[in-house]
Amino acid sequence: SAVISQKPSRDICQRGTSLTIQCQVDSQVTMMFWYRQQPGQSLTLIATANQGSEATYESGFVIDKFPISRPNLTFSTLTVSNMSPEDSSIYLCSVDARGGDGFNEQFFGPGTRLTVL
Amino acid sequence: KQEVTQIPAALSVPEGENLVLNCSFTDSAIYNLQWFRQDPGKGLTSLLLIQSSQREQTSGRLNASLDKSSGRSTLYIAASQPGDSATYLCAVSDSWGKLQFGAGTQVVVTP
Repeated sequence: SAVISQKPSRDICQRGTSLTIQCQVDSQVTMMFWYRQQPGQSLTLIATANQGSEATYESGFVIDKFPISRPNLTFSTLTVSNMSPEDSSIYLCSVDARGGDGFNEQFFGPGTRLTVL
Repeated sequence: KQEVTQIPAALSVPEGENLVLNCSFTDSAIYNLQWFRQDPGKGLTSLLLIQSSQREQTSGRLNASLDKSSGRSTLYIAASQPGDSATYLCAVSDSWGKLQFGAGTQVVVTP
């Protein structure tokens, strides 16, 4: 399994500013993922972050708005740039790691609740 | 493009009744399917993981089935308790570990 922590747990920001969210895993993993959950909605994948390569973004998400870093196998950051109220969401980090039954599964961090005023 | 649908969107049952939550997906080429629980304002808790080659998984009062050919999974929760009140999310994974989520079923179990 994998234990994931995120910082900050929540923040309130002014429009036009940027926020960087950190994700730390307790073991080395190849694939890390960033998801967004808008109010009342389900989760949507933003991008996949592999160590040593550029992040791969899903349709509707761009690097200028959501730059991602992956400096090593246990850490990643997601920046939400030039924020607007529409960016108010929960942002979750996840990893693909071996589970208790020997198969790979997804483990999620506790999320970062962002409110943009 | 993979689409995941969960029915019903909301469910309210008295304590002790069994819960049946449905999930369907359009592309049967999945790596696995996971059921998650989410409490208000919180992150996700993984409940059950079913590999594409498996037909069901069980953990305590929870049982999940998978019919990959028809694109369906069902989560059964036996003898529901008020503590089971939460939103339940179904997600299918591709071989890269990317998840496509359903919209969720919001469950309320009344004492």
